[in-house]
Amino acid sequence: KQEVTQIPAALSVPEGENLVLNCSFTDSAIYNLQWFRQDPGKGLTSLLLIQSSQREQTSGRLNASLDKSSGRSTLYIAASQPGDSATYLCAVGARGGAGSYQLTFGKGTKLSVIP
Amino acid sequence: NAGVTQTPKFQVLKTGQSMTLQCAQDMNHEYMSWYRQDPGMGLRLIHYSVGAGITDQGEVPNGYNVSRSTTEDFPLRLLSAAPSQTSVYFCASSYTVFDQPQHFGDGTRLSIL
Repeated sequence: KQEVTQIPAALSVPEGENLVLNCSFTDSAIYNLQWFRQDPGKGLTSLLLIQSSQREQTSGRLNASLDKSSGRSTLYIAASQPGDSATYLCAVGARGGAGSYQLTFGKGTKLSVIP
Repeated sequence: NAGVTQTPKFQVLKTGQSMTLQCAQDMNHEYMSWYRQDPGMGLRLIHYSVGAGITDQGEVPNGYNVSRSTTEDFPLRLLSAAPSQTSVYFCASSYTVFDQPQHFGDGTRLSIL
């Protein structure tokens, strides 16, 4: 069974700092990996999607990398801002039971950027 | 486009009651799914659909039913509510299953007394 782990569970940084969020998964037979942002009381917003054949994706100040063989992904946030404060979720897309497609989520990293 | 719309946003039920959580998307997405989010558990897949008329079970399907009569709508039914079903429920959709990001609704916060 696929398991996704995110470390740390919470992170507090001063504004302007570069930071890295970590995600690890146990089964490397994946189709893709997605990073989401969740604000309190809100749904999830997709930030970056990396296909299993790709090594990284970039969007603005965000860069996500994928090392499928070692079961790791990182989300790099450059020049953090208070508006980046949210919970960041990593999700792995893979075959589930009976040929289904299933996203398996980590429990998230709660980021606080202090002005 | 409204994206993925979930109704209601909040609901309180008594044990044993039934209800339907609504999910609609206006993006012509084929793939739709339901998740529940619980503290310390993360999001878990309940049911999913790869197109109209096709549904299947996810990781935690017991106590829930779904149907997909149209591309746009994917309702989730609680047959006989139990306190263990107190959770936040999210509906998600994507155009294809394997290579497109998932779009999520804002969730339904459900309390079972």
